[in-house]
Amino acid sequence: QSALTQPASVSGSPGQSITISCTGTSSDIGTYNDVSWFQQHPGNVPKLIIYDVSDRPSGVSSRFSGSKSANTAYLTISGLQAEDEADYYCSIYTSRNTLFYVFGSGTKVTVL
Amino acid sequence: EVQLVESGGGLVQPGRSLRLSCAASGFPFDDYAMHWVRQAPGKGLEWVSGISWNSIIVGYADSVKGRFTISRDSAKKSLYLQMNSLKNEDTALYYCAKGMNRWSFHPDHWGQGTPVTVSS
Repeated sequence: QSALTQPASVSGSPGQSITISCTGTSSDIGTYNDVSWFQQHPGNVPKLIIYDVSDRPSGVSSRFSGSKSANTAYLTISGLQAEDEADYYCSIYTSRNTLFYVFGSGTKVTVL
Repeated sequence: EVQLVESGGGLVQPGRSLRLSCAASGFPFDDYAMHWVRQAPGKGLEWVSGISWNSIIVGYADSVKGRFTISRDSAKKSLYLQMNSLKNEDTALYYCAKGMNRWSFHPDHWGQGTPVTVSS
């Protein structure tokens, strides 16, 4: 189980779009679509914002979107807002006979 | 309203044991997968262990395999994590989280966490 690789930090100005990458391998992201993304503000619990690569839970802003290409998943935040400043984590799981679950290393998003 | 309340954390010496509990309410506990996730101070999220709705599918992070055991009690609507042979590096805030539905392990609700400190 290797952690998924994310950039340590990404920044953007209000109104801009930013994209966070999450790189895995052909054995995880390259094969399975059970990819999710979480947002965590300082001192708060993580919040699920994307699941199954690109689906949004009810109540999550449409400014958040997810995608995948080969062994890398992406989270795009459109129309960046001050409240989007937080840590973001990707994750993936596989659950055949045994559950394997791993988080990404995390990305700090700064709104300039 | 979904509620997950963790308990059982505290200060423990290396090599000792601790049992965490997570009391669930506001949803049919028997129908959902559950997880334990931890976060060391100033660090990222680390998945610890998960269990399917029917306890058939279970998994552990390599860092805790052989030392930690996850279990669930439908009558008490509770999730547990038995932690043995604790190490300093197990120090973290331990979250309980529920899966999205019977067939999805995506954690969509999280408790506030219970802190575990392993130190002599």
